[in-house]
Amino acid sequence: QKEVEQNSGPLSVPEGAIASLNCTYSDRVSQSFFWYRQYSGKSPELIMSIYSNGDKEDGRFTAQLNKASQYVSLLIRDSQPSDSATYLCAVKRNTDKLIFGTGTRLQVFP
Amino acid sequence: DTGVSQDPRHKITKRGQNVTFRCDPISEHNRLYWYRQTLGQGPEFLTYFQNEAQLEKSRLLSDRFSAERPKGSFSTLEIQRTEQGDSAMYLCASSTNRGTDTQYFGPGTRLTVL
Repeated sequence: QKEVEQNSGPLSVPEGAIASLNCTYSDRVSQSFFWYRQYSGKSPELIMSIYSNGDKEDGRFTAQLNKASQYVSLLIRDSQPSDSATYLCAVKRNTDKLIFGTGTRLQVFP
Repeated sequence: DTGVSQDPRHKITKRGQNVTFRCDPISEHNRLYWYRQTLGQGPEFLTYFQNEAQLEKSRLLSDRFSAERPKGSFSTLEIQRTEQGDSAMYLCASSTNRGTDTQYFGPGTRLTVL
């Protein structure tokens, strides 16, 4: 079992729709959770961090964390073609290294 | 406020050669991380420093890899006797140990071993 699992996609959504990206993790001691966006050929760029159960909103983005079920999700409202990228879920346990999933490729079509 | 910088951005080398990459973190960040990313995969942790101390090193890091951060500022990652399997994007990130633990990534160094 991989430590952090994501569906590789692609997830295709029309412009203006809500994109829902999911991530599950295996280790219950995971403490911090991050979503990064990565455009092709570029480095990861932080979108959201979340540390406690519930929702956290930032503009069009909402991160949701459920530690009991060991999943974290990212919702993108009013999706734009510029949101087309790979979204990486990362978790941190009791050390400082990030453990990444393989990423979900999102395609937003006009 | 400058971000994390890495040099070079691209490196093409022949198998068996040594290569060295440099990372300059965000100025007030005392933690520095190296990751490696291959096509279709997420970044994999290699090693990290707090100031000049190397605190953790992945088992992925063979003896051919060495990293330093001699003055607690910039860091270098050296790969000796490169192999084709070393071809990847090498990413550097930095963070503080105060408040948020967010890691900010540099642009990466893309290594191609022929």
